[in-house]
Amino acid sequence: NAGVTQTPKFRVLKTGQSMTLLCAQDMNHEYMYWYRQDPGMGLRLIHYSVGEGTTAKGEVPDGYNVSRLKKQNFLLGLESAAPSQTSVYFCAGKQQGLNTEAFFGQGTRLTVV
Amino acid sequence: AQSVTQLDSQVPVFEEAPVELRCNYSSSVSVYLFWYVQYPNQGLQLLLKYLSGSTLVKGINGFEAEFNKSQTSFHLRKPSVHISDTAEYFCAVSERRGRRALTFGSGTRLQVQP
Repeated sequence: NAGVTQTPKFRVLKTGQSMTLLCAQDMNHEYMYWYRQDPGMGLRLIHYSVGEGTTAKGEVPDGYNVSRLKKQNFLLGLESAAPSQTSVYFCAGKQQGLNTEAFFGQGTRLTVV
Repeated sequence: AQSVTQLDSQVPVFEEAPVELRCNYSSSVSVYLFWYVQYPNQGLQLLLKYLSGSTLVKGINGFEAEFNKSQTSFHLRKPSVHISDTAEYFCAVSERRGRRALTFGSGTRLQVQP
């Protein structure tokens, strides 16, 4: 039982390059989320999914896309990376039910130069 | 919409002293309340949560928090801190319905000194 696993853990991109961050979970999470963490700003919601095949925008979605083709995977894509997307990205998953907690991955540190 | 305010960005404290990390929130709907801890270069770990019932909630590692509805606060406390408590602490709220995503405060860095 690996929980919530993010790959890669670190990445350096040049401005304009594209990449995909993978979040995989084996906890039967119905809900999945992508956050970015920046100094002094806490974590902000980028996109989220309430089930397989569904995605929706969070508070800071610009420059990102997501897909949830399989329940266990939630992908975050950057089509054309910008220095403002330098951040630490966290994926989280949550089961259905009112009293369930969110479980977080270990994070991906992305630097765009 | 919800928002969370953590009033202190850094809190230095000596080992074995008590500590309180402050959190206030605003929301137009009923919410659940959480405290998460983040150790250096790691993900977030749940410390405690308030869903309903008793307003005093006990969590892991000796932490507790008190929900005050009239003051819309959820302050975190520990009577005696250890060096190992040095970390960043995040207060968060989530809607009780809908997407149930977490809205986080900006974080408080607790620095425990010997």
